Amino acid sequence: KNEVEQSPQNLTAQEGEFITINCSYSVGISALHWLQQHPGGGIVSLFMLSSGKKKHGRLIATINIQEKHSSLHITASHPRDSAVYICAAPFYNTDKLIFGTGTRLQVFP
Amino acid sequence: DAGITQSPRHKVTETGTPVTLRCHQTENHRYMYWYRQDPGHGLRLIHYSYGVKDTDKGEVSDGYSVSRSKTEDFLLTLESATSSQTSVYFCAISISADTQYFGPGTRLTVL
Repeated sequence: KNEVEQSPQNLTAQEGEFITINCSYSVGISALHWLQQHPGGGIVSLFMLSSGKKKHGRLIATINIQEKHSSLHITASHPRDSAVYICAAPFYNTDKLIFGTGTRLQVFP
Repeated sequence: DAGITQSPRHKVTETGTPVTLRCHQTENHRYMYWYRQDPGHGLRLIHYSYGVKDTDKGEVSDGYSVSRSKTEDFLLTLESATSSQTSVYFCAISISADTQYFGPGTRLTVL
């Protein structure tokens, strides 16, 4: 069983839809990362959060440490949001990360 | 992009040949990482370094070695490449406890 699991694996949406991607983890962590991998392969760090909620533009990330669950929301989705979204948790409070397998999002006009 | 480059970006090689991938950073960050990315798997840590000549193994280190003789360079070597090492390889640096920056990736094909 992966220590970091994401759902869904694939997601398609129409432009303007509200998107939710979920991440659950089985290890005790102090923080969780959300990353975006563009179709060209580049990986960008979006958020690191340890509690509550963070917002950046149309992206919102939430975490519930007790339930070991985090969500990434995209409001008013746009085709340029099409990418793979990856969550990652530090391995036993080190700076080494364990990654989920990613959620592939396609937003159609 | 925190000044991370990887070379080569693409390589095709034959089974049994040695291969070295280079990760170069321009900002003197201490921690550097090598990952591989394969379909159906998340990014998996191969090796990491916490300073010059200080390296340690990750979860999938078999068949790989690393070296870091300068702060800015972290080399990943496949001593004798196998087809199972066909993958996309990413280098990353920690710029803080919160954030890792990733290089552009190297696509390696072992025939």
